[in-house]
Amino acid sequence: DAGVTQSPTHLIKTRGQQVTLRCSPKSGHDTVSWYQQALGQGPQFIFQYYEEEERQRGNFPDRFSGHQFPNYSSELNVNALLLGDSALYLCASITDGPGGLAEQYFGPGTRLTV
Amino acid sequence: QKEVEQDPGPLSVPEGAIVSLNCTYSNSAFQYFMWYRQYSRKGPELLMYTYSSGNKEDGRFTAQVDKSSKYISLFIRDSQPSDSATYLCAGYSGGGADGLTFGKGTHLIIQP
Repeated sequence: DAGVTQSPTHLIKTRGQQVTLRCSPKSGHDTVSWYQQALGQGPQFIFQYYEEEERQRGNFPDRFSGHQFPNYSSELNVNALLLGDSALYLCASITDGPGGLAEQYFGPGTRLTV
Repeated sequence: QKEVEQDPGPLSVPEGAIVSLNCTYSNSAFQYFMWYRQYSRKGPELLMYTYSSGNKEDGRFTAQVDKSSKYISLFIRDSQPSDSATYLCAGYSGGGADGLTFGKGTHLIIQP
């Protein structure tokens, strides 16, 4: 059973550019959350996708957008990149099990450098 | 005040010692509490989660939650050099689609 996969592993972009990050959840998991982890900080919740809809968003601007596909995989798009967007972007795979939506399994992350 | 607070460390202990890692939180709506282990430049790995107050044990790891004092602990017995990592605690209110709220993490070093 494959775990959570993310691509690419690393990405270097210039300020003002746009970037797309990809995530495939664990088999059987239908919900995906995205987090941003700056150096020396804990992950911060960006948004969550379920049934191809954004269900909840954290305190992030509209430059951050996403999409979920019928196979539950997801994309995170960031427009007009700023230097402060440099971080490790994590995808969490979630299924509504005994722990509800608390049981979240993270992928290896995509390291974005702007 | 951040919702989840952790001492960033580093916390350095000798191999075989019992390690105690702690967090405090301020959001009374939190019902679930998680501990993650994160190695350098890797994604966080879920160690265990607990619901409400109480203890939960899994191998060498024991998680404790005291909701009356808003205090979360993780104990590691017989610590190994491979336990050296950053440990993140998180809270979650449940019942909705909110994300997990993390502390900054504690950097743990187990000396051989």
